[in-house]
Amino acid sequence: DAGITQSPRHKVTETGTPVTLRCHQTENHRYMYWYRQDPGHGLRLIHYSYGVKDTDKGEVSDGYSVSRSKTEDFLLTLESATSSQTSVYFCAISPQGSSYEQYFGPGTRLTVT
Amino acid sequence: AQSVTQLDSHVSVSEGTPVLLRCNYSSSYSPSLFWYVQHPNKGLQLLLKYTSAATLVKGINGFEAEFKKSETSFHLTKPSAHMSDAAEYFCVVTAYTNAGKSTFGDGTTLTVKP
Repeated sequence: DAGITQSPRHKVTETGTPVTLRCHQTENHRYMYWYRQDPGHGLRLIHYSYGVKDTDKGEVSDGYSVSRSKTEDFLLTLESATSSQTSVYFCAISPQGSSYEQYFGPGTRLTVT
Repeated sequence: AQSVTQLDSHVSVSEGTPVLLRCNYSSSYSPSLFWYVQHPNKGLQLLLKYTSAATLVKGINGFEAEFKKSETSFHLTKPSAHMSDAAEYFCVVTAYTNAGKSTFGDGTTLTVKP
């Protein structure tokens, strides 16, 4: 398995509070991605990174921000959590020159009450 | 622009019978195509990929898929289903020109009956 971990694995938080999810890789891969998974929607891309300090928006980026200060860490922040952000969040990594095949972390289940 | 349509949200087969999961795609560029599998409460695992080499692609656990450009399809098949194949399957299209931004289909849930 690719060396990719996510923390926390489960979190319950209240509406309006900030939340940060962490993705950590030991593979030194260039590309990193954050997705959310909701029933009936597959996975939808939130943000992605193509290098340290290089990030861009995905299709559902509103309400989320990201940072990547080191190759191995990609942080996803919900500045003010809302109930619509209750979801399972997956991080993925992809090496350069791989045709962008992605390797996924175990996921974080976030509940916003 | 790119998109993926998985034509069946649920497929049910009996153990030992063939599996067919259908996927159509659209892409403005020559795409890479993938199938991923997700078992309950697990992350996603790469089954197979197409990257403009052979049009018939073999993956893990006896799965294969055929890229048909004229039909813009990338259907996943397996000759004989096993109980352990019960999972959700995602078809994914990725464009080289876009830092690997991928578009996922909505998924197909495969049920395998004994």
